[in-house]
Amino acid sequence: GQQLNQSPQSMFIQEGEDVSMNCTSSSIFNTWLWYKQEPGEGPVLLIALYKAGELTSNGRLTAQFGITRKDSFLNISASIPSDVGIYFCAGHNDYKLSFGAGTTVTVRA
Amino acid sequence: EAQVTQNPRYLITVTGKKLTVTCSQNMNHEYMSWYRQDPGLGLRQIYYSMNVEVTDKGDVPEGYKVSRKEKRNFPLILESPSPNQTSLYFCASSLLLRSGEQYFGPGTRLTVT
Repeated sequence: GQQLNQSPQSMFIQEGEDVSMNCTSSSIFNTWLWYKQEPGEGPVLLIALYKAGELTSNGRLTAQFGITRKDSFLNISASIPSDVGIYFCAGHNDYKLSFGAGTTVTVRA
Repeated sequence: EAQVTQNPRYLITVTGKKLTVTCSQNMNHEYMSWYRQDPGLGLRQIYYSMNVEVTDKGDVPEGYKVSRKEKRNFPLILESPSPNQTSLYFCASSLLLRSGEQYFGPGTRLTVT
C-alpha cells in the first residue's frame, strides 16, 4: 500500500498554543483528508482538500494540500483541552484510502 | 440518526474459530470499507465494496473475506483467525464512490488467542 509519513508522532499542547502537523508521501494523491479519533471511537473527518495548493479552514483548523500533491499539513490555532486525540492524515485515490500512523495530541500538565 | 454500526464491539476468540463482524449503515451509501488499526501503523484498508456484489481487495486482505449482499450490510469474515489478526477493526461508508469522506463505525476490538 501507499505509505504516508506523518509527523510528529506525538505532541503536548498547552491551552492557547498553535500546533501543526504534517504528512508526506512518495505517491501523488487526488484528495488529502484529516481525521481525528477520540478514545473508544472511530475517526471523524475534520477537513477534506481536493486541489493542489488548496488552503481550507474549519473553525480553528487550517489545512493545505501541497502543490506537489504529495504532502499536506494541519494547523490548530489557540488549542483547547478538547483538541486532545489522535489526528490522522489520509490520502485518497480512486476507491482506496491510505492513512498516516497518526499524531497523538496530549494536554501538557 | 445517520450512523455506521458494528457488532460485536469486543470479541475474544481462539485460533481457528470462524467469526463474523457485522457492519450496517443507514445512510444508503454506495461505498463501504473495512480497516484495521494497529499501534504505530495507522489504519490499513482490508477490503472495500463499491456496490452490492462488487468488492475488491485493499492493502491487507490476507486472511479476511467480505460479502455485500445488501446495500446496507458489509460483514467481515475471518474463516480461521490467527493471533496476528488481533486488532481494532473499523467499518466505514461513503455516499460517493470516489470520495475519501467516510463515516466510521465505533470499532470492534478483536483478540485472538
